[in-house]
Amino acid sequence: DQQVKQNSPSLSVQEGRISILNCDYTNSMFDYFLWYKKYPAEGPTFLISISSIKDKNEDGRFTVFLNKSAKHLSLHIVPSQPGDSAVYFCAAALGGSARQLTFGSGTQLTVLP
Amino acid sequence: KAGVTQTPRYLIKTRGQQVTLSCSPISGHRSVSWYQQTPGQGLQFLFEYFSETQRNKGNFPGRFSGRQFSNSRSEMNVSTLELGDSALYLCASSLPWTASSGNTIYFGEGSWLTVV
Repeated sequence: DQQVKQNSPSLSVQEGRISILNCDYTNSMFDYFLWYKKYPAEGPTFLISISSIKDKNEDGRFTVFLNKSAKHLSLHIVPSQPGDSAVYFCAAALGGSARQLTFGSGTQLTVLP
Repeated sequence: KAGVTQTPRYLIKTRGQQVTLSCSPISGHRSVSWYQQTPGQGLQFLFEYFSETQRNKGNFPGRFSGRQFSNSRSEMNVSTLELGDSALYLCASSLPWTASSGNTIYFGEGSWLTVV
């Protein structure tokens, strides 16, 4: 049973435009969400996170939106750059001191020059 | 500031052997967790250690084990290797939870294990 789902395996966007990556979750106990960027055979690089008490968090070109009622979050990248091309994973964590992340299956973002 | 360091980066083992992977967390981080990434199963949580104690464990067989030392460095061990254990093994570290740090978890570059 996949508790975190990224339904789009791939996404192509023109350079300079907005990239929107989506993620759905089923476990209402998740209260912290993170986005990671990953290249093959390398570790995930942390991008941005959001607590369930917020609905938006912004850091430079990256903005994460959280819709708790829909159990949905999205990552917006504006403007998209060719260097953003990578696999993007969303991850969710339960509350408290636990450090266990549940990952989605990832979305391959390709930014075309 | 040094990131999460994992050794070795690449290794090849034979079925039936055992392997030990090492992880040094970011300075000051006391929580260390391990993940396995395979093409079929994606990124899956193995276990997490804090102050030398295992706090959480994922759904993996007992052949997968780990430990954490007093300096927060961690090792994971896989015994009686199977072909399906071929994967990228990732170590991650984090600070204790606070309202500002939340659950931000930082990953190392990973150890790529091939079982033949």
